[in-house]
Amino acid sequence: ELKVEQNPLFLSMQEGKNYTIYCNYSTTSDRLYWYRQDPGKSLESLFVLLSNGAVKQEGRLMASLDTKARLSTLHITAAVHDLSATYFCAVLYSGTYKYIFGTGTRLKVLA
Amino acid sequence: DVKVTQSSRYLVKRTGEKVFLECVQDMDHENMFWYRQDPGLGLRLIYFSYDVKMKEKGDIPEGYSVSREKKERFSLILESASTNQTSMYLCASRLVGLAGTDTQYFGPGTRLTVL
Repeated sequence: ELKVEQNPLFLSMQEGKNYTIYCNYSTTSDRLYWYRQDPGKSLESLFVLLSNGAVKQEGRLMASLDTKARLSTLHITAAVHDLSATYFCAVLYSGTYKYIFGTGTRLKVLA
Repeated sequence: DVKVTQSSRYLVKRTGEKVFLECVQDMDHENMFWYRQDPGLGLRLIYFSYDVKMKEKGDIPEGYSVSREKKERFSLILESASTNQTSMYLCASRLVGLAGTDTQYFGPGTRLTVL
């Protein structure tokens, strides 16, 4: 059974600081996704990572994938309040249409 | 822009009622999904449909059924609602792009309360 674990579950950080969210998954997968969810709103796609060593960046967020370690990271650089949200990673179960989501990391950036 | 809409943002039903949640997408996507989101559990897949009239069970299909008679519409049915089905329900449709990339587009969600 494919499991996806995120840590930390909660993260409170000061503006201007850097931090990393980790996403581990338990079996081989074709691809990994990161989403953002603002309170009371739906999920918005951030990144799709397709191969080992893939790195994508958008503004202060950078995502990377290590398929050998079955690990993806979402790095936040110089956090700002607008990044406060819940971040989910998800993995596509190989050969299926099934996406397995992590439990989410709730990020709060303090001014 | 892709748009995924859901029939209700908030719904309150009584135990034993039959409940219909509807989802419509406007981009001709073949794949559509129903998830439920609960605190501390992330999103869990209930059912997905890879084409009209085609469906497959996800991880938690018990107590639910689905219908996809038209490509743009995917309905989730709670045959006899129970209090443990109180949750946020999210619909998504999937675009398969160039070079094998794919993206799920989510609707705004329906917060269902079963009393």
